[in-house]
Amino acid sequence: AQTVTQSQPEMSVQEAETVTLSCTYDTSESDYYLFWYKQPPSRQMILVIRQEAYKQQNATENRFSVNFQKAAKSFSLKISDSQLGDAAMYFCAYRNRDDKIIFGKGTRLHILP
Amino acid sequence: DVKVTQSSRYLVKRTGEKVFLECVQDMDHENMFWYRQDPGLGLRLIYFSYDVKMKEKGDIPEGYSVSREKKERFSLILESASTNQTSMYLCASSPLTPTFNQPQHFGDGTRLSIL
Repeated sequence: AQTVTQSQPEMSVQEAETVTLSCTYDTSESDYYLFWYKQPPSRQMILVIRQEAYKQQNATENRFSVNFQKAAKSFSLKISDSQLGDAAMYFCAYRNRDDKIIFGKGTRLHILP
Repeated sequence: DVKVTQSSRYLVKRTGEKVFLECVQDMDHENMFWYRQDPGLGLRLIYFSYDVKMKEKGDIPEGYSVSREKKERFSLILESASTNQTSMYLCASSPLTPTFNQPQHFGDGTRLSIL
């Protein structure tokens, strides 16, 4: 069975600094997608970034980028120039052909002013 | 933009009551999901549905049932609510695509308290 592990329950970063959230996963599939979702306090969960497993190039969305290491089954999220609005719970997620998504347990990110 | 609407933001019920949580999406998505979110446990899938009148058990279906009579609506039912079902419940939807690259779109969540 596939699993997704986020080893950091909480992290803190100074405003304007860079932070990296870790995620590892386990699967025997070769074709899948990986996602990072953001859930701000009392607000809706939204997609931050996605990565296709067959693409070697790391996905980037503005200040958000990933470091995808397929052989190591690692999918970390880097947030550059952290802003107060980045404070949220971040979930790493895995999806393959059966249409279910498997979520990690989340990392709560605090931004220090 | 996709909109997933959950009928209540906060709900308080009593032990033994039958509880209905409603979810409606407006983008004609085939897939709909119900999760519960608990601190330290992340999101756990309760049930999902690929189409009208179809349902599949997720990881923690015990004590729950679902109904999908119309494509846009997916209801979660707590047959006899218990205190250990106090949680945040999230509904999500996504289109059925061959490339399965589409993310799920989430509602705002329902924080359910069972007294």
